[in-house]
Amino acid sequence: GQQVMQIPQYQHVQEGEDFTTYCNSSTTLSNIQWYKQRPGGHPVFLIQLVKSGEVKKQKRLTFQFGEAKKNSSLHITATQTTDVGTYFCAGPGGSYIPTFGRGTSLIVHP
Amino acid sequence: NAGVTQTPKFRILKIGQSMTLQCAQDMNHNYMYWYRQDPGMGLKLIYYSVGAGITDKGEVPNGYNVSRSTTEDFPLRLELAAPSQTSVYFCASSSTGPREQYFGPGTRLTVT
Repeated sequence: GQQVMQIPQYQHVQEGEDFTTYCNSSTTLSNIQWYKQRPGGHPVFLIQLVKSGEVKKQKRLTFQFGEAKKNSSLHITATQTTDVGTYFCAGPGGSYIPTFGRGTSLIVHP
Repeated sequence: NAGVTQTPKFRILKIGQSMTLQCAQDMNHNYMYWYRQDPGMGLKLIYYSVGAGITDKGEVPNGYNVSRSTTEDFPLRLELAAPSQTSVYFCASSSTGPREQYFGPGTRLTVT
């Protein structure tokens, strides 16, 4: 089935630094979603991208969908300790099921 | 709205025991999913349902069973628990299939 690869697996940053995680697919994605999971918590839906080249912002978070719809990125500007967690991307793995990336764990050092 | 609820929050099972993990949603979503998440790993799909009475296997269905008699409930049954089933189990629901899933708080299961 379709797979989405996510890099890096871990990222350590100092508070105030920027952070980016990337999601790549070998095939075209009709859509992509991003989720955040706090330590000990459950995944929470952040956003969905559908259009080629789409860019969406949520405060300090910027989400992009590539022109070829094969990759996506999540960029956080000036990280805060509240940004700690694992960020997952998910694309369609079949008609009814998603395929999740392995996630990028963000560790923010104060 | 309570969203997606799961019970129990924690459970310790002995090898060979059975149990049912409960999942309920009050958003009238047709699509429901069961995932397991092992430490430091992503989400693996166990079973899913596209509506009451319809279920199908995901990536890792062995050792599990599900039923969907109502739109609201989607219980996951573990028969003959094994240490390999030690994991965190998440239930999720969606009105749009694989998009925009709402997750429950999870059940942390240990099999010893």
